[in-house]
Amino acid sequence: KAGVTQTPRYLIKTRGQQVTLSCSPISGHRSVSWYQQTPGQGLQFLFEYFSETQRNKGNFPGRFSGRQFSNSRSEMNVSTLELGDSALYLCASSFSRGQGETQYFGPGTRLLVL
Amino acid sequence: QQQVKQSPQSLIVQKGGISIINCAYENTAFDYFPWYQQFPGKGPALLIAIRPDVSEKKEGRFTISFNKSAKQFSLHIMDSQPGDSATYFCAASIGGGADGLTFGKGTHLIIQP
Repeated sequence: KAGVTQTPRYLIKTRGQQVTLSCSPISGHRSVSWYQQTPGQGLQFLFEYFSETQRNKGNFPGRFSGRQFSNSRSEMNVSTLELGDSALYLCASSFSRGQGETQYFGPGTRLLVL
Repeated sequence: QQQVKQSPQSLIVQKGGISIINCAYENTAFDYFPWYQQFPGKGPALLIAIRPDVSEKKEGRFTISFNKSAKQFSLHIMDSQPGDSATYFCAASIGGGADGLTFGKGTHLIIQP
């Protein structure tokens, strides 16, 4: 079974632009979560989608948004990019939202904002 | 507010030794405590996880020890191997992770041959 895939793997943008990142979960997985990883703040939860609905959201500004499609694929959008948005953005999928469900992470999209 | 504190930041262990990484949490509502391993250029991968109703869980060379009263848990890697060199993250969540995992800052582990 293929793992979580994320595209693109690398991205360079300039301040003020917007960016869209894509995540394809493991086949059959319906929950998709997004995380931001930076050297200073570590791994921080952005939001989680299940059945095309955002179920939970971390402490990030409204510039960060996402959506999930009927095939469970998810996209994350960051508008009006700031230098501090440079990070590795990780997507994780799990079969459901139940107790003990393992989250499987993709390789991430490395975003550099200049 | 950092809800999960992880130590040490970096750790060097000789091959065959025991690697120990510690984490402390604040939120008593946490009920799921996984450890993740991350290699450069890869996403984190689940190593082992524990719930607060048990004090220890062992899978191969990896053991989690859990102290509910002290709100602490630790990862022990027995017979550490160079291939174990990676960054390790402890995490905690409510409801099995559906509400998002809260991660520690990570430990960069180097196993010297």
